[in-house]
Amino acid sequence: DGGITQSPKYLFRKEGQNVTLSCEQNLNHDAMYWYRQDPGQGLRLIYYSQIVNDFQKGDIAEGYSVSREKKESFPLTVTSAQKNPTAFYLCASSMGPGEGQPQHFGDGTRLSIL
Amino acid sequence: QKEVEQNSGPLSVPEGAIASLNCTYSDRGSQSFFWYRQYSGKSPELIMFIYSNGDKEDGRFTAQLNKASQYVSLLIRDSQPSDSATYLCAVNPHAGGTSYGKLTFGQGTILTVHP
Repeated sequence: DGGITQSPKYLFRKEGQNVTLSCEQNLNHDAMYWYRQDPGQGLRLIYYSQIVNDFQKGDIAEGYSVSREKKESFPLTVTSAQKNPTAFYLCASSMGPGEGQPQHFGDGTRLSIL
Repeated sequence: QKEVEQNSGPLSVPEGAIASLNCTYSDRGSQSFFWYRQYSGKSPELIMFIYSNGDKEDGRFTAQLNKASQYVSLLIRDSQPSDSATYLCAVNPHAGGTSYGKLTFGQGTILTVHP
């Protein structure tokens, strides 16, 4: 079955530690996105990528980094510079970056601070 | 002013009634509009999308778009307890440029359908 796989489901970060969240899709989608959701809030865009080897900052990119070396993969690193990382992280993809292309989501990763 | 605004609710309707969820947006150049359903603790699931003024129907769901009033709504007919969830409105805010493909989400409306 085609879909978007995020791992791990739950992740705990120690102070000063960088952690990487995985996102893989087998939908052959060109565009991929990372969002952060805080309790009772909508989704806020962290980074997005329209094609391989290219990505742009979203609205809240500080303290995060990404790479897009393969079409299927768009990992997100939460660095120690992100002082409030506790949130639900959602990866999404769409067929292309074009307008009107619906985005589909993975199951998410919950990140907490130890 | 928030770019995409939704009444956070909760909106409570009896089973079998019509639930009406509303969303307003600030960017007059917005072209594409999406409704997602999110169950508690789960990821958002796409329900409908609409690009043109007017109504679009899919089963029990109808999306309505009025670009002049910058307003998009979702109607759920014959509401069921299983429809209880948070409904997120998302808008593609720009036509082209570096914002191509980006979505801006509202904070969501909590819907409760009681038996």
